[in-house]
Amino acid sequence: EVQVVESGGGLIQSGGSLRLSCVASGFTVRFNYMSWVRQAPGKGLELVSITYSGGSSYYADSVRGRFTISRDNSQNTLYLQMNSLRPEDAAVYYCARIPLRNYYPFWYFDLWGRGTLVAVSS
Amino acid sequence: QSALTQPPSASGSPGQSVTFSCTGTSSDVGAYNYVSWYQQHPGKAPKLIIYEVSKRPSGVPDRFSGSKSGNTASLTVSGLQTEDEADYYCSSYAGYNNFVFFGGGTKLTV
Repeated sequence: EVQVVESGGGLIQSGGSLRLSCVASGFTVRFNYMSWVRQAPGKGLELVSITYSGGSSYYADSVRGRFTISRDNSQNTLYLQMNSLRPEDAAVYYCARIPLRNYYPFWYFDLWGRGTLVAVSS
Repeated sequence: QSALTQPPSASGSPGQSVTFSCTGTSSDVGAYNYVSWYQQHPGKAPKLIIYEVSKRPSGVPDRFSGSKSGNTASLTVSGLQTEDEADYYCSSYAGYNNFVFFGGGTKLTV
């Protein structure tokens, strides 16, 4: 079955760090663009980070310099290292795939995990 | 970074049709045919229902249709069913510097 499963969320104090994981099955993370999208309680979706070809990455302004996206190809797993967490980072974090065709990204998210909840106490 | 603009709520009765709008700019919705729509039921993950403006993934009923005119994209749900009650989010590619914007979501009540 093609799926992604997130883990690593929890309650953390402001200023603390967490590492989220996203284990993929049924496809190879290395051959896709992979992203983290978050949703604060009662709010909409926000793109946090993307990792794409050649190991390049993108970060939203709100997390740049504090979050780091990475992949472990041997484990077929995506990570999000979150440092210097702030109360406004509290959200459900989803791992989502951006499909490629002939190595070209088609800019939509076709596969989502169930998400992992990050709570930040001040 | 700017979100796309969606009306916060919409409603319709079973069997009716409803159309949601998603307004962006000439740098995102107006520039690329990478508009997508997602359905999200409470406590669930978003689900892709429309991609590349008007294409439906396998398994999505043809009651869902998408279109675009200028800087505004639209999602139409025909023959409303109670299970269509959910939040709907639009998304658009916005170029290399921003990649993807989402709308704020529209809550559909059936």
